[in-house]
Amino acid sequence: QVTLKESGPVVLKPTETLTLTCTVSGFSLSNVRMAVSWIRQPPGKALEWLAHILSNDEKSYSPSLRRRLTISKDTSKSQVVLSMINVDPLDSATYYCARIPDYGEYVIDYWGQGTLVTVSS
Amino acid sequence: QSVLTQPPSASGTPGQRVTISCSGSSSNIGSNFVCWYQQLPGTAPTLLIYRNNQRPSGVPDRFSGSKSGTSASLAINGLRSEDEADYYCAAWDDRLSGHYVFGTGTKVTVL
Repeated sequence: QVTLKESGPVVLKPTETLTLTCTVSGFSLSNVRMAVSWIRQPPGKALEWLAHILSNDEKSYSPSLRRRLTISKDTSKSQVVLSMINVDPLDSATYYCARIPDYGEYVIDYWGQGTLVTVSS
Repeated sequence: QSVLTQPPSASGTPGQRVTISCSGSSSNIGSNFVCWYQQLPGTAPTLLIYRNNQRPSGVPDRFSGSKSGTSASLAINGLRSEDEADYYCAAWDDRLSGHYVFGTGTKVTVL
């Protein structure tokens, strides 16, 4: 079955770099028209889309966070990695990775369980 | 930073009908399909509606979606206690090289 699992630091300090890994199973990152995205949700707040990477390696980023984010994938390891530089307490959130089976029609059909990241000095 | 606007809350008694609106613009809802996601307390979101009004298998037909122009709506008929959750609309936005946008979210309470 399809699963996605996020991993990364639980706590980090302001100005550090956050690196999150999404390990997927049940499908391949090279499947035609497949995409994996990262989404976050601060405590008690709304969902915010961050970035995605397509099966052809094209990438898209949130306009407001573009300068701080980098997304990449390792198809052989079934992993998608998101890096965010210069974190701030406002970046504290649950970070989800999610699957889009056909990026021509943007529908998120599977989500990871999420990983809570806290930024604090 | 949500560009899709939803009412913060909605409520009803069991069996009632509840509707949630989602207001966007020509660059998102006006030109792309809308999805709705349900987020039960303490869990990750799940897909509820896609392509404006389609239900994935397993989603009860009590849930229905619609779209008109730059707005969309989600209706829950025959409200049940297990429907108490947060609901988010979402759509692709064609501006600024393209990006996905979520709504502000609506908390549905079953009275």
